[in-house]
Amino acid sequence: DQQVKQNSPSLSVQEGRISILNCDYTNSMFDYFLWYKKYPAEGPTFLISISSIKDKNEDGRFTVFLNKSAKHLSLHIVPSQPGDSAVYFCAASVNSGYALNFGKGTSLLVTP
Amino acid sequence: GAGVSQSPSNKVTEKGKDVELRCDPISGHTALYWYRQSLGQGLEFLIYFQGNSAPDKSGLPSDRFSAERTGGSVSTLTIQRTQQEDSAVYLCASSPRRADYEQYFGPGTRLTVT
Repeated sequence: DQQVKQNSPSLSVQEGRISILNCDYTNSMFDYFLWYKKYPAEGPTFLISISSIKDKNEDGRFTVFLNKSAKHLSLHIVPSQPGDSAVYFCAASVNSGYALNFGKGTSLLVTP
Repeated sequence: GAGVSQSPSNKVTEKGKDVELRCDPISGHTALYWYRQSLGQGLEFLIYFQGNSAPDKSGLPSDRFSAERTGGSVSTLTIQRTQQEDSAVYLCASSPRRADYEQYFGPGTRLTVT
């Protein structure tokens, strides 16, 4: 049973524009959310996170928004760069714990 | 510094054979995790080690799967009597105790069971 869902398997964006990656979850016990980025033949790398007590967290070009009532979060990348092309995984945990529940990922392609 | 390393990077094995996958975590990280990613799926939690505590094995899919962590460092994931559905990328991660959720992943081992 997939508790974290990324319904868009792929997204293509022009360089300089905004990339918006979406994630939905079903478990209301999730209280910590993360985004990981993965390049081919490498493991996922931590990108940004947000606690359920916040609705926004920003780190440079990356901002994560959390809408608890809708059980939805999104990752905004502004401006998008070709080096951002990767697979992005949304993940969530209960009690900020270690067993992360991952979505299936969204493949982002940023074109020059 | 050195990241999480895993070996082998690729493993092809015949159905019914046993396999061992190795993980070297980041030095000083007390927590170690195993995940697997089957084709078209998200990462699936398998097992968690934290220091000298008993591991959380709740994610292991069957009793054919086992894992050890020796000396609080290197870990080995063993799959006995492999089945075709075991084919996946097996990822290891480690984290410092203060931030279990910010996990540092290795490149993974791609296991193919023929």
